[in-house]
Order: sequence, then structure tokens, then C-alpha cells
Amino acid sequence: EAGVAQSPRYKIIEKRQSVAFWCNPISGHATLYWYQQILGQGPKLLIQFQNNGVVDDSQLPKDRFSAERLKGVDSTLKIQPAKLEDSAVYLCASSPGTGQNEKLFFGSGTQLSVL
Amino acid sequence: ELKVEQNPLFLSMQEGKNYTIYCNYSTTSDRLYWYRQDPGKSLESLFVLLSNGAVKQEGRLMASLDTKARLSTLHITAAVHDLSATYFCAVVGYGGSQGNLIFGKGTKLSVKP
Repeated sequence: EAGVAQSPRYKIIEKRQSVAFWCNPISGHATLYWYQQILGQGPKLLIQFQNNGVVDDSQLPKDRFSAERLKGVDSTLKIQPAKLEDSAVYLCASSPGTGQNEKLFFGSGTQLSVL
Repeated sequence: ELKVEQNPLFLSMQEGKNYTIYCNYSTTSDRLYWYRQDPGKSLESLFVLLSNGAVKQEGRLMASLDTKARLSTLHITAAVHDLSATYFCAVVGYGGSQGNLIFGKGTKLSVKP
């Protein structure tokens, strides 16, 4: 079974530039998550989708971050404009649904460096 | 606000030794997860603990949950080099959405021969 795919693997940009990340979840997984992991910390949830609807985006900095999941499959996360403090690894995860016992399956992440 | 604290944050141990990683959380929680992360890799789910007194074991790792003390432990038995990684615990706040996991800072484990 293919895992969660993310691209690009690395991205280096200058502050105030824009950047986009892509995620393809495990086939059939209805729920998709974007997390931000700053160096030395645990991941922090940015947004959760159930199919193509947003379940939780309470921690998404909406003035600069946006995310969409068209057709309830792939998802993109965009930052515009980027700030230095956005340097982090952006992890995408998916799960079959939202059941209590369900595990989240994580992708390898996109490492973003903002200079 | 739900907070999750792990200790120690760094752990260097010799092969064959036993040790325990602790995870404390500040408010009532539905469930607790343990994850492993290798450098440059994604997080791998190890255990999901759903109830007070839950104990799960996989190989040399055993996790337990005490919801009254708001404490989970990850016990390592007879450590081997392959267990070197960063281990995270994560908690969902009571009634919170499943994905809103609050992670600890992680425990970086290094097992030396």
C-alpha cells in the first residue's frame, strides 16, 4: 500500500515570497491533516479536512496560510507571504475516517527554509 | 489549554539496558498516542491508548496509560541500536477533533553499543 506522498521534499525561499506544498493521501482515506513541525518541537495541527470540507482550522494563520482539498483527494497548502518564522517541516497525514481507534499515517514532509 | 510534557528530552543509553520515557498531560484526554520519528523521516504510529490502565506492547517497547495521574510511560526493555529515534507522545483533548493532537517536544533516544 502506497503511503502519504508529499512534494517537494525541500524548499528554500526568501521572506515575502510565496510557496505551495502538495499532498496525496493514502487511497480511500477520507481525512487529511496538515501539521507544522518547528525544529525541536512536536508537530502542531494547522488544518483538518474530512473529504473536501474543513473540520478544524483553528490554528491556521489565515492571514498568510491557505489550504484546499478539491475533490476530497489531493491537498495543497500555501503560504503567502512567507515569514522567517515559517521555517519548519510541513507534514501531511491521512486517516480512513475519524474513528477513535484510527491511526494517522504521516508523509515524509516538506522542509521549508525561509531566508 | 492542554499541555503535554515529556521527559527526558534527551536520553543516551547503552544496549541491553532498560529505561522509561514519561509523558504528562495537563487536562482530561480521550486518548494518547506514541509515535516514533527517525531523522528526516515521517512519524510512525506505535501505540494508541484509549482507557485507564491500558497497556500495549510491541517488541521491546511497552506503553501504559494512567488517566487519573494524566501520565503515560513508554518502557524500553533491553535496548538495541535500532531503537535510536525520537519518540513523541500526543494527546487529544476531551471532545476535541481526532486530528488535533497536542504533541510533546519529543524524547531523542540514542542507544550506544
